[in-house]
Amino acid sequence: NAGVTQTPKFQVLKTGQSMTLQCAQDMNHEYMSWYRQDPGMGLRLIHYSVGAGITDQGEVPNGYNVSRSTTEDFPLRLLSAAPSQTSVYFCASSYSGKGTQYFGPGTRLLVL
Amino acid sequence: QKEVEQDPGPLSVPEGAIVSLNCTYSNSAFQYFMWYRQYSRKGPELLMYTYSSGNKEDGRFTAQVDKSSKYISLFIRDSQPSDSATYLCAMSAGTTDSWGKLQFGAGTQVVVTP
Repeated sequence: NAGVTQTPKFQVLKTGQSMTLQCAQDMNHEYMSWYRQDPGMGLRLIHYSVGAGITDQGEVPNGYNVSRSTTEDFPLRLLSAAPSQTSVYFCASSYSGKGTQYFGPGTRLLVL
Repeated sequence: QKEVEQDPGPLSVPEGAIVSLNCTYSNSAFQYFMWYRQYSRKGPELLMYTYSSGNKEDGRFTAQVDKSSKYISLFIRDSQPSDSATYLCAMSAGTTDSWGKLQFGAGTQVVVTP
């Protein structure tokens, strides 16, 4: 049982480039979320999904797209990277929508 | 104003001392309260989970929720150097429109010195 996995661990992009951050979970959780973590800001929700085919925006969705074609996978796409998107990105999943979430190890993104 | 406020620290304590952490919040709809521990360059891991008001104890960890004051606390007894980490509080209303969403505090960095 691998839990929540994320790839890549670290990525450097140039402004304007696009990329996809991968997230997968093997716990058959319906709920999955993407957060970004910046110093002094805590974790902020980007997008979330309550099941395959259903996604919605969180607190800071601009510049990011998501889709959920399977229960296991929830990729996050950066359309045109900007330096303001330099951050650590965490994917999380949960069985119940009411609370406990399990986090992946994170992807550190640097946009130059 | 943030919905969840947490002192970022750092909080430095000697080994064996009690660590006291807290968060305040403004949304009276929050019912589910969590504490996560995050080691440097790692993902957050769940420490404690409580519903509504009251206390919950798990080994050296005690979580308290006071909904009337909109205040939650985490106590770590007999602190160890391995407890050095950032501790994040998180909460959720648990309603249909909040499913899958957590509100986090900024995190408090704790350093336990031998």
